[in-house]
Amino acid sequence: DVKVTQSSRYLVKRTGEKVFLECVQDMDHENMFWYRQDPGLGLRLIYFSYDVKMKEKGDIPEGYSVSREKKERFSLILESASTNQTSMYLCASSSPSAADYEQYFGPGTRLTVT
Amino acid sequence: AQKVTQAQTEISVVEKEDVTLDCVYETRDTTYYLFWYKQPPSGELVFLIRRNSFDEQNEISGRYSWNFQKSTSSFNFTITASQVVDSAVYFCALSGKRSSNTGKLIFGQGTTLQVKP
Repeated sequence: DVKVTQSSRYLVKRTGEKVFLECVQDMDHENMFWYRQDPGLGLRLIYFSYDVKMKEKGDIPEGYSVSREKKERFSLILESASTNQTSMYLCASSSPSAADYEQYFGPGTRLTVT
Repeated sequence: AQKVTQAQTEISVVEKEDVTLDCVYETRDTTYYLFWYKQPPSGELVFLIRRNSFDEQNEISGRYSWNFQKSTSSFNFTITASQVVDSAVYFCALSGKRSSNTGKLIFGQGTTLQVKP
């Protein structure tokens, strides 16, 4: 059974803190994604990775960085958290060999920055 | 450019009513896939259906049905005899050949469906 897990469901951090959001998938997928979800804006792609140590910016990379040292793990890093980064963060993975590129999602992390 | 538009931000219906969620897409690719995902209050996106650009046959799965029309670039989703458990945010998404090497999906803004008892 396909599974994507995220380290926390809820997280509260202070402005200026360094924040790590972890995502792990057990499907041996090459592709992994980080999205941000805000009301009325849908899912916006922050970063994605198509292989270990490979990453590309998505639509809204400012204020974020990522790390992919192992195939199964993709981390999103907020170097200095700000209140406008309060949001729901969703991780997803997919296999490029799959014909339809379906993405499998984790449960999400609701981050509040105070 | 690729784009997905879900014009309905919120829909509220009473249980047992039928409801249609609209999805309009833009792409220059000839080969592409369309998806619908459901996001219940728990937060996790649940895959509902995929359609490829060469298959315009409509699909029915229980109370759910999908109407894919290339002529109008639409992929609408209908829930028949809605139930309270259908209350969720629904996302339409598009994947095109140009992005196929990375599997990126373009999501619509989402439609929040509230089904009242």
